[in-house]
Amino acid sequence: TQLLEQSPQFLSIQEGENLTVYCNSSSVFSSLQWYRQEPGEGPVLLVTVVTGGEVKKLKRLTFQFGDARKDSSLHITAAQPGDTGLYLCAGQRSNDYKLSFGAGTTVTVRA
Amino acid sequence: DAGVTQSPTHLIKTRGQQVTLRCSPKSGHDTVSWYQQALGQGPQFIFQYYEEEERQRGNFPDRFSGHQFPNYSSELNVNALLLGDSALYLCASRSGTGTSYEQYFGPGTRLTVT
Repeated sequence: TQLLEQSPQFLSIQEGENLTVYCNSSSVFSSLQWYRQEPGEGPVLLVTVVTGGEVKKLKRLTFQFGDARKDSSLHITAAQPGDTGLYLCAGQRSNDYKLSFGAGTTVTVRA
Repeated sequence: DAGVTQSPTHLIKTRGQQVTLRCSPKSGHDTVSWYQQALGQGPQFIFQYYEEEERQRGNFPDRFSGHQFPNYSSELNVNALLLGDSALYLCASRSGTGTSYEQYFGPGTRLTVT
Protein backbone atom coordinates (compact mmCIF):
# COMPACT_ATOMS: atom_id res chain seq x y z
CA THR A 1 0.00 0.00 0.00
CA GLN A 2 1.38 3.39 -1.05
CA LEU A 3 1.68 5.92 1.76
CA LEU A 4 1.18 8.69 -0.81
CA GLU A 5 -1.49 8.50 -3.48
CA GLN A 6 -0.95 10.51 -6.64
CA SER A 7 -3.63 11.44 -9.14
CA PRO A 8 -4.12 11.28 -11.97
CA GLN A 9 -1.80 8.46 -13.03
CA PHE A 10 -1.58 9.78 -16.60
CA LEU A 11 -2.20 13.23 -18.05
CA SER A 12 -2.01 14.23 -21.72
CA ILE A 13 -2.63 17.85 -22.64
CA GLN A 14 -2.04 20.32 -25.44
CA GLU A 15 0.71 22.91 -25.25
CA GLY A 16 -0.56 26.06 -23.52
CA GLU A 17 -3.08 24.28 -21.29
CA ASN A 18 -2.90 24.16 -17.49
CA LEU A 19 -2.65 21.03 -15.36
CA THR A 20 -2.73 20.01 -11.71
CA VAL A 21 -1.28 16.91 -10.08
CA TYR A 22 -2.42 15.84 -6.61
CA CYS A 23 -0.59 14.00 -3.85
CA ASN A 24 -2.65 12.79 -0.86
CA SER A 25 -2.06 10.82 2.32
CA SER A 26 -3.60 10.07 5.69
CA SER A 27 -0.18 10.62 7.28
CA VAL A 28 1.38 13.88 8.38
CA PHE A 29 4.71 14.77 6.82
CA SER A 30 7.44 17.03 8.16
CA SER A 31 8.47 17.77 4.57
CA LEU A 32 7.30 16.97 1.07
CA GLN A 33 9.35 17.05 -2.10
CA TRP A 34 8.41 17.06 -5.77
CA TYR A 35 10.67 15.49 -8.38
CA ARG A 36 10.58 15.19 -12.17
CA GLN A 37 12.07 12.11 -13.79
CA GLU A 38 12.95 11.47 -17.42
CA PRO A 39 12.99 7.88 -18.78
CA GLY A 40 16.09 5.97 -17.65
CA GLU A 41 17.34 8.83 -15.45
CA GLY A 42 17.22 9.68 -11.77
CA PRO A 43 14.60 12.00 -10.26
CA VAL A 44 15.50 15.69 -10.27
CA LEU A 45 14.42 17.71 -7.24
CA LEU A 46 12.01 20.54 -8.11
CA VAL A 47 10.97 21.84 -4.69
CA THR A 48 10.75 21.08 -0.97
CA VAL A 49 7.86 22.32 1.19
CA VAL A 50 7.93 22.10 4.97
CA THR A 51 5.28 24.46 6.37
CA GLY A 52 1.53 23.76 6.31
CA GLY A 53 -0.19 26.04 3.81
CA GLU A 54 3.11 26.92 2.13
CA VAL A 55 3.04 27.92 -1.54
CA LYS A 56 6.18 27.95 -3.68
CA LYS A 57 6.54 29.04 -7.27
CA LEU A 58 9.16 27.92 -9.75
CA LYS A 59 8.57 29.82 -13.01
CA ARG A 60 5.32 28.30 -14.37
CA LEU A 61 5.12 25.65 -11.62
CA THR A 62 3.22 26.30 -8.38
CA PHE A 63 3.51 23.91 -5.43
CA GLN A 64 1.22 23.92 -2.42
CA PHE A 65 1.48 22.04 0.89
CA GLY A 66 -1.81 21.37 2.64
CA ASP A 67 -2.58 23.10 5.95
CA ALA A 68 -2.49 19.77 7.79
CA ARG A 69 0.70 18.68 5.95
CA LYS A 70 -1.02 15.56 4.60
CA ASP A 71 -1.38 16.59 0.96
CA SER A 72 0.19 18.64 -1.77
CA SER A 73 -0.47 19.80 -5.31
CA LEU A 74 1.57 20.79 -8.33
CA HIS A 75 0.04 23.20 -10.83
CA ILE A 76 1.64 23.96 -14.19
CA THR A 77 0.48 27.03 -16.10
CA ALA A 78 0.70 27.19 -19.88
CA ALA A 79 2.40 23.79 -20.17
CA GLN A 80 5.17 23.32 -22.72
CA PRO A 81 6.52 20.12 -24.34
CA GLY A 82 9.60 20.45 -22.11
CA ASP A 83 7.34 19.84 -19.09
CA THR A 84 6.79 16.26 -20.27
CA GLY A 85 7.97 13.69 -17.73
CA LEU A 86 7.13 11.61 -14.67
CA TYR A 87 6.25 13.77 -11.66
CA LEU A 88 6.83 12.18 -8.26
CA CYS A 89 5.87 13.43 -4.83
CA ALA A 90 7.81 12.14 -1.83
CA GLY A 91 7.23 12.75 1.85
CA GLN A 92 9.33 12.40 4.96
CA ARG A 93 7.65 11.86 8.33
CA SER A 94 9.04 12.92 11.70
CA ASN A 95 11.60 10.47 13.10
CA ASP A 96 11.75 8.75 9.72
CA TYR A 97 14.84 9.04 7.56
CA LYS A 98 13.38 7.62 4.37
CA LEU A 99 11.38 9.28 1.63
CA SER A 100 8.04 7.62 0.84
CA PHE A 101 7.13 8.10 -2.80
CA GLY A 102 3.87 8.20 -4.67
CA ALA A 103 3.54 6.04 -7.79
CA GLY A 104 3.98 9.10 -10.01
CA THR A 105 2.02 11.00 -12.63
CA THR A 106 3.11 10.72 -16.25
CA VAL A 107 2.58 14.07 -17.96
CA THR A 108 2.67 14.39 -21.75
CA VAL A 109 2.44 17.84 -23.32
CA ARG A 110 1.68 17.73 -27.06
CA ALA A 111 3.06 20.45 -29.30
CA ASP B 1 29.95 21.03 -7.92
CA ALA B 2 29.75 17.30 -8.60
CA GLY B 3 26.37 15.76 -8.10
CA VAL B 4 25.59 12.18 -7.09
CA THR B 5 27.35 9.68 -9.31
CA GLN B 6 26.60 5.99 -9.76
CA SER B 7 28.29 3.09 -11.52
CA PRO B 8 27.81 1.13 -13.61
CA THR B 9 25.08 2.67 -15.77
CA HIS B 10 23.71 -0.65 -16.94
CA LEU B 11 24.24 -4.22 -15.82
CA ILE B 12 22.97 -7.59 -17.00
CA LYS B 13 23.18 -10.56 -14.62
CA THR B 14 21.86 -14.12 -14.48
CA ARG B 15 19.56 -15.48 -11.78
CA GLY B 16 21.50 -16.60 -8.73
CA GLN B 17 24.45 -14.30 -9.34
CA GLN B 18 25.60 -11.48 -7.10
CA VAL B 19 25.93 -7.80 -7.98
CA THR B 20 27.61 -4.71 -6.48
CA LEU B 21 26.49 -1.18 -7.32
CA ARG B 22 28.43 1.93 -6.37
CA CYS B 23 27.54 5.49 -5.41
CA SER B 24 29.45 8.68 -4.65
CA PRO B 25 27.41 11.35 -2.84
CA LYS B 26 27.10 15.00 -3.74
CA SER B 27 29.95 17.12 -2.44
CA GLY B 28 29.35 18.05 1.21
CA HIS B 29 26.86 15.25 1.83
CA ASP B 30 27.54 12.45 4.32
CA THR B 31 24.33 10.40 4.15
CA VAL B 32 23.48 7.95 1.38
CA SER B 33 20.18 6.19 0.71
CA TRP B 34 19.40 3.46 -1.81
CA TYR B 35 16.08 3.03 -3.60
CA GLN B 36 14.70 0.45 -6.01
CA GLN B 37 12.39 1.64 -8.78
CA ALA B 38 10.49 -0.96 -10.75
CA LEU B 39 9.08 -0.02 -14.14
CA GLY B 40 6.05 2.25 -13.82
CA GLN B 41 6.37 2.66 -10.06
CA GLY B 42 7.78 5.17 -7.60
CA PRO B 43 11.11 4.45 -5.89
CA GLN B 44 11.02 2.13 -2.85
CA PHE B 45 13.41 2.73 0.06
CA ILE B 46 16.02 0.00 0.63
CA PHE B 47 18.25 1.50 3.35
CA GLN B 48 20.17 4.57 4.48
CA TYR B 49 23.77 4.85 5.63
CA TYR B 50 25.19 7.52 7.92
CA GLU B 51 28.59 7.49 9.64
CA GLU B 52 29.29 4.10 8.04
CA GLU B 53 26.29 2.51 9.80
CA GLU B 54 22.92 1.41 8.44
CA ARG B 55 20.58 3.94 10.03
CA GLN B 56 17.25 2.71 8.65
CA ARG B 57 16.11 -0.20 6.49
CA GLY B 58 13.04 -0.69 4.32
CA ASN B 59 11.13 -3.90 3.63
CA PHE B 60 13.79 -5.70 1.64
CA PRO B 61 15.22 -9.17 2.34
CA ASP B 62 18.68 -9.79 3.75
CA ARG B 63 19.90 -10.53 0.21
CA PHE B 64 20.20 -6.75 -0.03
CA SER B 65 23.15 -5.40 1.93
CA GLY B 66 25.25 -2.29 1.85
CA HIS B 67 28.30 -0.51 3.04
CA GLN B 68 29.46 3.06 3.49
CA PHE B 69 33.12 4.00 3.34
CA PRO B 70 34.98 6.72 5.30
CA ASN B 71 34.81 9.02 2.25
CA TYR B 72 30.96 8.66 2.39
CA SER B 73 30.72 6.66 -0.82
CA SER B 74 28.53 3.58 -0.67
CA GLU B 75 27.93 0.16 -2.19
CA LEU B 76 24.75 -1.84 -2.60
CA ASN B 77 25.16 -5.62 -2.80
CA VAL B 78 22.45 -8.01 -3.91
CA ASN B 79 22.99 -11.77 -3.55
CA ALA B 80 21.14 -14.67 -5.18
CA LEU B 81 19.56 -12.46 -7.82
CA LEU B 82 15.94 -13.07 -8.78
CA LEU B 83 14.14 -11.99 -11.95
CA GLY B 84 12.10 -9.61 -9.78
CA ASP B 85 15.26 -7.72 -8.82
CA SER B 86 15.33 -6.20 -12.30
CA ALA B 87 14.86 -2.47 -11.72
CA LEU B 88 16.49 0.94 -11.70
CA TYR B 89 18.58 1.29 -8.54
CA LEU B 90 18.88 4.86 -7.33
CA CYS B 91 21.27 6.40 -4.87
CA ALA B 92 20.37 9.62 -3.05
CA SER B 93 22.48 11.79 -0.79
CA ARG B 94 21.82 14.49 1.77
CA SER B 95 23.45 16.14 4.73
CA GLY B 96 22.95 13.94 7.79
CA THR B 97 22.49 16.79 10.23
CA GLY B 98 20.74 20.10 10.23
CA THR B 99 17.26 20.99 9.05
CA SER B 100 17.66 20.41 5.32
CA TYR B 101 15.38 17.61 4.14
CA GLU B 102 16.47 17.68 0.56
CA GLN B 103 17.76 14.52 -1.04
CA TYR B 104 19.50 14.51 -4.41
CA PHE B 105 19.44 11.50 -6.68
CA GLY B 106 22.01 10.02 -9.01
CA PRO B 107 21.23 8.85 -12.56
CA GLY B 108 20.70 5.27 -11.40
CA THR B 109 21.95 1.83 -12.38
CA ARG B 110 19.67 -0.22 -14.62
CA LEU B 111 19.92 -3.86 -13.51
CA THR B 112 18.49 -6.58 -15.72
CA VAL B 113 18.33 -10.14 -14.37
CA THR B 114 17.84 -12.88 -16.96
